[in-house]
This record gives sequence, structure tokens and C-alpha cells, in this order.
Amino acid sequence: QVQVVQSGAEVKEPGASVKLSCKAFGYSFTSYATHWVRQAPGQGLEWMAWINIDSGNREISQNFQGRVTLSRDSYASTAYLELSRLRSEDTAVYYCAIGIAATGTYYWGQGTLVTVSS
Amino acid sequence: IVLTQSPGTLSLSPGETATLSCRASQTISSNYLSWYQQKPGQVPRLLIYGASARATGIPDRFSGSGSGTDFTLTISRLEPEDFAVYYCQQYGSSWTFGQGTKVEIK
Repeated sequence: QVQVVQSGAEVKEPGASVKLSCKAFGYSFTSYATHWVRQAPGQGLEWMAWINIDSGNREISQNFQGRVTLSRDSYASTAYLELSRLRSEDTAVYYCAIGIAATGTYYWGQGTLVTVSS
Repeated sequence: IVLTQSPGTLSLSPGETATLSCRASQTISSNYLSWYQQKPGQVPRLLIYGASARATGIPDRFSGSGSGTDFTLTISRLEPEDFAVYYCQQYGSSWTFGQGTKVEIK
């Protein structure tokens, strides 16, 4: 059974950075993508970026270029997203999802609430 | 790729059929189009992938169709637990989501 576990809630001041983690358990593929999606309060889903856990190939949405850093520890099946220069509009639930496009099935984490407030 | 969902809100009664539309600004290759259901405070739940394949455990009252740029999610015989927000998503290399359709109780 596949399980995706994300790090806990964060509270940050404007201008700070936050680093989130996403760990996969029980996924049978060794090369897969981890996507990051966020959802501001009352809003829709916004795709941010993805990284391949094996190769490290990555892509970042233009909306987050220059503020997002992706990394991974393939041995620990864990991907990381760091978002810098936080502002109040970055307050949201951040989700990760793992999978392979060819299978069509992605497994989502429980989400991490990031609150940006002074 | 921009995904445009319609309508924004659908007001229906239990037992009725919901028809949700998703239009893409360009052809979605390999029909990499999914539908998700989301209820307040919950993680999005995968319903349909590959435009028409039901995900594991999804009831057969949910069906997806379409190809190219036009896709449809049909929910037959609406159950009380089906009232939620639905998102279409294209999942090529990068992802895009539609803005969502809220299915509410009339």
C-alpha cells in the first residue's frame, strides 16, 4: 500500500523561507515524479513544480521561478521543496503527489499548512 | 495548457445527473487528463485518469469521456456524498488544473 507522508505545519514571518518534505512508502517504482501543488484558503489547486526522485530532473512553474528550490534524497524516497521570500499570499496548504504519468495514478500526501504572518 | 471548466457551479438534487465540462487550450497528448473530487478540508481524490479510466475504488456512477481538447465528467444518480468541488487536471510533464466546478445541493 502506497503512503505519502508530508512534514508538519509551519508558521513563518514574511521574508523567511520554508522547507517542506515529502516521503513515499511502499511505491514499487524507483523512478517517479514528485509534484508539488498548493491551495490557498478558499481557492483552487495551483501546480508549483516537480522533481524526479531518481534522476533529479525537475521543472518549476514560471509563477515560482527564482523562489522555489527542489531537492531529493532518493535513498530515503524523500523530496523537498523550499520556498523563499515568503509573503502573506503564500499562506496555503502545500501538497505533494508522487507517481508516473504513464500509470495515470498519483498518490497524494496529507498536505502541509504553511502560514505566513508577522 | 490552460484548462477551462464549466459551469462554475452546478445546482442539482440527489438522484440527478451532473455533467461537467473541461476544455483545454491545446490538445492534451496521450489523453493525460484526470478528474479529482475535493471536499472541504480533504485531500483531492482521484476519480478518473487517462480521460476515461476509473481509479481504484471509484463507483461506476462516475464516468469520463473526451479527447483532444474537450473532456466531460458525468456523475449519474448523484448521491449525497457526491456534492463537492471537481477539478480537471492535465498531467503531462508539468501539470495544470482547471478552476473547479462546485456541485451543490439544489
